[in-house]
Amino acid sequence: AQSVTQLGSHVSVSEGALVLLRCNYSSSVPPYLFWYVQYPNQGLQLLLKYTSAATLVKGINGFEAEFKKSETSFHLTKPSAHMSDAAEYFCAVSDSGTGNQFYFGTGTSLTVIP
Amino acid sequence: GAVVSQHPSRVICKSGTSVKIECRSLDFQATTMFWYRQFPKQSLMLMATSNEGSKATYEQGVEKDKFLINHASLTLSTLTVTSAHPEDSSFYICSARDRGGAMGEAFFGQGTRLTVV
Repeated sequence: AQSVTQLGSHVSVSEGALVLLRCNYSSSVPPYLFWYVQYPNQGLQLLLKYTSAATLVKGINGFEAEFKKSETSFHLTKPSAHMSDAAEYFCAVSDSGTGNQFYFGTGTSLTVIP
Repeated sequence: GAVVSQHPSRVICKSGTSVKIECRSLDFQATTMFWYRQFPKQSLMLMATSNEGSKATYEQGVEKDKFLINHASLTLSTLTVTSAHPEDSSFYICSARDRGGAMGEAFFGQGTRLTVV
């Protein structure tokens, strides 16, 4: 069975400050891990993914995440928050392959304070 | 990246009528598509897995007679909400994985906001 837990349903940061969104996973097999961003009334856009290659993954818009097997974590970071980063962020896990479903976390709403 | 087009983006219908939502993979073939439902301020709940040429697999608690899924081709899956009621009002999102691409990533449609009045 697979699952993800996102700690903190709401995170607020000041513009220019570090963004840290937490995600811990549970998986009985080597996982594929993803971070998606959702803007109001829109679908999900992939930020980055981990598929068993480099443990530090760089994504779009300056985001990156590090896969830490010992901590079963895949936290999302960005050195300097922009106003445009305000959105809902979802962590997801999949076991592999093209036919298997994703398991999503409950989401973290990021607010950026000017 | 690959594109998944979902239509319509918004629909308002009267209680008791049916609504069809289309999900198309525009530049890749998708053997499997997924349908999700999202309530306000909540995560995505998987409703069903749509398999091309065969019956959809529904998650526990999802009424298969109410949420009809058809996956007639490798680029199109449809979700029909039959005899819609106000409690069916929600945001519905489809996704697809590229059968010919690198493993992992799923591509999402832009979602459909259904309001039943």
